[in-house]
Amino acid sequence: LAKTTQPISMDSYEGQEVNITCSHNNIATNDYITWYQQFPSQGPRFIIQGYKTKVTNEVASLFIPADRKSSTLSLPRVSLSDTAVYYCLVHNTNAGKSTFGDGTTLTVKP
Amino acid sequence: GAGVSQTPSNKVTEKGKYVELRCDPISGHTALYWYRQSLGQGPEFLIYFQGTGAADDSGLPNDRFFAVRPEGSVSTLKIQRTERGDSAVYLCASSLRTSGSIYEQFFGPGTRLTVL
Repeated sequence: LAKTTQPISMDSYEGQEVNITCSHNNIATNDYITWYQQFPSQGPRFIIQGYKTKVTNEVASLFIPADRKSSTLSLPRVSLSDTAVYYCLVHNTNAGKSTFGDGTTLTVKP
Repeated sequence: GAGVSQTPSNKVTEKGKYVELRCDPISGHTALYWYRQSLGQGPEFLIYFQGTGAADDSGLPNDRFFAVRPEGSVSTLKIQRTERGDSAVYLCASSLRTSGSIYEQFFGPGTRLTVL
């Protein structure tokens, strides 16, 4: 499975756009990129998934360049409640195993 | 509808004891996963089931760990001769499928295991 690298932590302020980048240099052809959010004392929660280019849903956007060696999760206009740990995963479509890294702790300040 | 549930929410045991952790997945989800999460780290994959069978158990740390899913729904993670290093939050997740295009894993709240 491809290894992922993310910043350990990021700080932001309410109302700002936050971009968290993940590196996955060894991504394979059958791999998808998925992002999860985790609050303290809760299990991770799915945010968004993509294969290439751009994916957008009601909470976030995911940008994936043509070489797919990195991806960027974009959170528009964050609020205090977006303070959480964000995990980037690379998942093979033919295998159930998912490998989480240590995630990025995002702290949103007032 | 109901999400993934795990029982107990907390379990304190003594070194050397046997414990069972239960996971009730979302109804109809064929895939079920177990992870272990230590403080400050991401979830660590243990095992996943497709139906009743363990499709990948490569994450189980040693033979003290075993998991079953006899009827393709509820799963039990069993740990024998617990050690202090087994202390962690054990997370269960389920999904509709594991292969193909986009899917997501739905996680339960976890069971916090403390081995004294």
